Amino acid sequence: GQNIDQPTEMTATEGAIVQINCTYQTSGFNGLFWYQQHAGEAPTFLSYNVLDGLEEKGRFSSFLSRSKGYSYLLLKELQMKDSASYLCAVMDSNYQLIWGAGTKLIIKP
Amino acid sequence: EAGVVQSPRYKIIEKKQPVAFWCNPISGHNTLYWYRQNLGQGPELLIRYENEEAVDDSQLPKDRFSAERLKGVDSTLKIQPAELGDSAVYLCASSLGSGDVKEQFFGPGTRLTVL
Repeated sequence: GQNIDQPTEMTATEGAIVQINCTYQTSGFNGLFWYQQHAGEAPTFLSYNVLDGLEEKGRFSSFLSRSKGYSYLLLKELQMKDSASYLCAVMDSNYQLIWGAGTKLIIKP
Repeated sequence: EAGVVQSPRYKIIEKKQPVAFWCNPISGHNTLYWYRQNLGQGPELLIRYENEEAVDDSQLPKDRFSAERLKGVDSTLKIQPAELGDSAVYLCASSLGSGDVKEQFFGPGTRLTVL
């Protein structure tokens, strides 16, 4: 079966750095997405990785290792507004997104 | 540019009643998705349209759920009759295509409560 695993909840301090991990097992691979979802709102796109390595976009970076079935989202200089759920999703061989359950990130002052 | 529009935003009904959700995708997006999201879970795909054709409805509970996208633009998702377990957020998303990797843009969702 297809499976996406990520921690249920993480807590970090404002101004700090946090890394959210995601491991996956899917039927084929056409890229990995990270989405941010604030409570009661729709998911919004953060990043896309299809090749191994690190993609940096401002305070957010995303890393992929296809051989290990592993990705992480790195958030730097945390702000209170970063409190949200972070969803990892993999596009399988049928171009269907397989979603993880999301990691709820709590930022403390 | 307007994003994905959904209505209503909230709906409360009693079990066994029918309910319908409406979605208007971003202009020019020919792929439309309906997802269901339960609290603390990721979205679960119900159906995917390419223009007016449903190309993936394997996860749609067809005994009570139906969907249509008659002119390849806006879409309606219906539940009849609703059950208690249908309480969830129903998300609509759209993308430029799905045969290649394309970012999906989500609407605000409809929060359904079945009493």
